[in-house]
Amino acid sequence: DVKVTQSSRYLVKRTGEKVFLECVQDMDHENMFWYRQDPGLGLRLIYFSYDVKMKEKGDIPEGYSVSREKKERFSLILESASTNQTSMYLCASSSDRGGIYEQYFGPGTRLTVT
Amino acid sequence: GNSVTQMEGPVTLSEEAFLTINCTYTATGYPSLFWYVQYPGEGLQLLLKATKADDKGSNKGFEATYRKETTSFHLEKGSVQVSDSAVYFCALSDPAGGTSYGKLTFGQGTILTVHP
Repeated sequence: DVKVTQSSRYLVKRTGEKVFLECVQDMDHENMFWYRQDPGLGLRLIYFSYDVKMKEKGDIPEGYSVSREKKERFSLILESASTNQTSMYLCASSSDRGGIYEQYFGPGTRLTVT
Repeated sequence: GNSVTQMEGPVTLSEEAFLTINCTYTATGYPSLFWYVQYPGEGLQLLLKATKADDKGSNKGFEATYRKETTSFHLEKGSVQVSDSAVYFCALSDPAGGTSYGKLTFGQGTILTVHP
């Protein structure tokens, strides 16, 4: 069974802290993604990676960075957490399967910044 | 750029009622279209997909047809159950082979609540 796991389901951090969110997939997928989910806004892409050490900005990259040192692991970093980064963070992975990408999602990390 | 618009929610239905959740999109070319479902406390799961015009995706009694002429991909189910209560997201991606790497553009989500 395919699996995307995230390091924490719930996280509470203080303003100004550096925060690491980890994501691991066991499907040997090339592509990995970080989204944030906010009510009424759907999911918005923060960053994605199409290969080890390769990354591209998504729609809302400000205040975030990412790291992909191994194919199966994709980390999201909040360099200095702020209250407007309180949100649900979802990781996903995908690969080209016969001309279509299907994304598989982790369970999410609900981050609260106080 | 790509965009997806879903009907305003939330939607509240009685068990065995007919469900429609509207979804329209803006994209160049022939995107792939998806419906994802998110049950309480969980991540998103792929519900169904369609990759070309007039394709019908179906799963668990849900259906959606890729309508190129109206740029729509409406989700339907003939008889909903309490267990269908969830948030439903319409999404699109560019076809494989380009440089989009399967990035998804999502609608804002529709909360469905089904009462016994």
